[in-house]
Amino acid sequence: QKEVEQDPGPLSVPEGAIVSLNCTYSNSAFQYFMWYRQYSRKGPELLMYTYSSGNKEDGRFTAQVDKSSKYISLFIRDSQPSDSATYLCAMSDGAGGTSYGKLTFGQGTILTVHP
Amino acid sequence: AAGVIQSPRHLIKEKRETATLKCYPIPRHDTVYWYQQGPGQDPQFLISFYEKMQSDKGSIPDRFSAQQFSDYHSELNMSSLELGDSALYFCASSLEFRGRRTDTQYFGPGTRLTVL
Repeated sequence: QKEVEQDPGPLSVPEGAIVSLNCTYSNSAFQYFMWYRQYSRKGPELLMYTYSSGNKEDGRFTAQVDKSSKYISLFIRDSQPSDSATYLCAMSDGAGGTSYGKLTFGQGTILTVHP
Repeated sequence: AAGVIQSPRHLIKEKRETATLKCYPIPRHDTVYWYQQGPGQDPQFLISFYEKMQSDKGSIPDRFSAQQFSDYHSELNMSSLELGDSALYFCASSLEFRGRRTDTQYFGPGTRLTVL
């Protein structure tokens, strides 16, 4: 079983919809949580970065982390066709941890926002 | 802002050949990570370097080796290439801040390796 589980979708929504993307994980040592967006044949682009539990908002994007449930979410409000991409959750056990910052990714969710 | 640079962007090799992938981190970033992403797969961590020393090792085959140079760029050397090595290879970089790694990794555009 993978350390990080993410529903691969695909997810198709109309423009303007609220999108919810989720990941669960099993390693309780994870402290840093990230969401990356990856367009086809491109490198992952960092969207959100959160330390420990809580919420973080940046424009149309909100990241939530619930460490007690080992569950993280990314919400996209007023979704746009340009948001169509693969969204990857990633996490690490933190600076100074034994992993030295290596990221463990979820499988990625393919999102399509249609006009 | 400057980003992570990878070269070449595309590489085609025959089985049993060797390949060298290069990564130039964001200026002042001291840590480099290599990931392999197969078709439809999530990126898998291969190896990382901090201040020119190997800092962590993941699922990197013994046929692969890597190093980080004094200017912080890194090279991934792949020998005896196999069909299964065909993948996107990403380099990412990050910066240690006040003695702690930030763990915010910025990815390059990747090198697409095709082994025929």
